[in-house]
Amino acid sequence: KNEVEQSPQNLTAQEGEFITINCSYSVGISALHWLQQHPGGGIVSLFMLSSGKKKHGRLIATINIQEKHSSLHITASHPRDSAVYICAVRSNFGNEKLTFGTGTRLTIIP
Amino acid sequence: DTAVSQTPKYLVTQMGNDKSIKCEQNLGHDTMYWYKQDSKKFLKIMFSYNNKELIINETVPNRFSPKSPDKAHLNLHINSLELGDSAVYFCASSLVTGFSPLHFGNGTRLTVT
Repeated sequence: KNEVEQSPQNLTAQEGEFITINCSYSVGISALHWLQQHPGGGIVSLFMLSSGKKKHGRLIATINIQEKHSSLHITASHPRDSAVYICAVRSNFGNEKLTFGTGTRLTIIP
Repeated sequence: DTAVSQTPKYLVTQMGNDKSIKCEQNLGHDTMYWYKQDSKKFLKIMFSYNNKELIINETVPNRFSPKSPDKAHLNLHINSLELGDSAVYFCASSLVTGFSPLHFGNGTRLTVT
C-alpha cells in the first residue's frame, strides 16, 4: 500500500463544475505539496502547506493533520485545468525526501 | 528566463550506452533533485543535493551517478543503459530542503532500445 493515496484516480467533469481531489497519507508529515502536470509533461508546484488552508485564484488546498488528509478544490473549472494533479508529502522523520501519490487525472469538458 | 532547464528534452539510445542529462537552475536555490517518472506516471526521488553535497540517495543502481559541480548545476550520468531505464527524468530545485516549493524542469524523456 502506497504511503500516499489519491482519489479519484480519474475525474471527468463539465466546465464550471466544482472539483475536489483527495489525498490521504499514512505517516506523520511536516509538509504536503500539490503539483500539477500538464498534458505536455511539465510539472508545476501549486501549493505547499503544513496546516489549514491556502488559496490561489480558483484553487484552494486544505489539510487536516489529525485526519492525515488533504483536499484540492477547483472552483469554476475550465478545460485548461485538465491535467494530472499529484499530492506529495514530506515525512517528519527520516530523510528529506518527498513521497508521491499516483496522481489524479482531471479532464474538464467544454 | 527559464528557471530550471534540463537538456536534452528527448534522448533515444541503445542498451549498453552511457549518457548524461544536464540540469541548471538560475533561481539561487540551495537544493536540487533528480526524479524518475515511470510509464505509470509515478514520480520517485532518485537523488538530492544541497549546496553540492549529496543528501538523499535512494535505492538507485550505481550505474546512475549524479554530479554537482556547483549549487546551480546537477547532472545525471547513466552508465550501461538498460531497457528498464526508459522513463522521464525530472530535475527540480527548491530554496530550502523540504520546506520550500519545488521548481521543476520540463523533463527528459529517455528511451532505451
